Amino acid sequence: AQSVTQLDSQVPVFEEAPVELRCNYSSSVSVYLFWYVQYPNQGLQLLLKYLSGSTLVKGINGFEAEFNKSQTSFHLRKPSVHISDTAEYFCAVLTGTASKLTFGTGTRLQVTL
Amino acid sequence: GAVVSQHPSRVICKSGTSVKIECRSLDFQATTMFWYRQFPKQSLMLMATSNEGSKATYEQGVEKDKFLINHASLTLSTLTVTSAHPEDSSFYICSAPVDPTYGYTFGSGTRLTVV
Repeated sequence: AQSVTQLDSQVPVFEEAPVELRCNYSSSVSVYLFWYVQYPNQGLQLLLKYLSGSTLVKGINGFEAEFNKSQTSFHLRKPSVHISDTAEYFCAVLTGTASKLTFGTGTRLQVTL
Repeated sequence: GAVVSQHPSRVICKSGTSVKIECRSLDFQATTMFWYRQFPKQSLMLMATSNEGSKATYEQGVEKDKFLINHASLTLSTLTVTSAHPEDSSFYICSAPVDPTYGYTFGSGTRLTVV
């Protein structure tokens, strides 16, 4: 079975500071990994995904993530956040044997001045 | 890009009535649609998977008679909350797989409030 752990439920950060949102997964087979962002009362928007190839993945809005197979992690990073990055961020995993996404519990990124 | 249009975005209904939520794929064919429920400040919980032309598959603990799912065509899937009660108040989101390289696309969600 696949599972996703987002250890930080909330991450407060000042504008223009760097941020890292942590995601760890467990799966016995190869995985596809995703990060989604959700603004209040909206659906999910894909930030980036790892399917194969380069372990450093760049996404929209200046976000990037690195797939680390040995540590089973897929942490999301941004070197300088903006107020508009305030939102809920979800890590998700999809294994090759399943067609359903499994979501982490989400991390609330709160950017302040 | 692939878009799923979800309507309504918000609905308030009285206890005991039924509410229908629609998800349409606008520029691709969605043979599968996933339906999620999200409580405040929580993650998405998969409720059921609908497949065009066959019965939906419900996750454990989800009442299939309460949450009726229909996948009438390759571009339309609906979720009907029957005999709604206040505890059914939640945010419902649909999602469809597009292709292996694109991944999944999500509807904008429906905020259901049962009074």
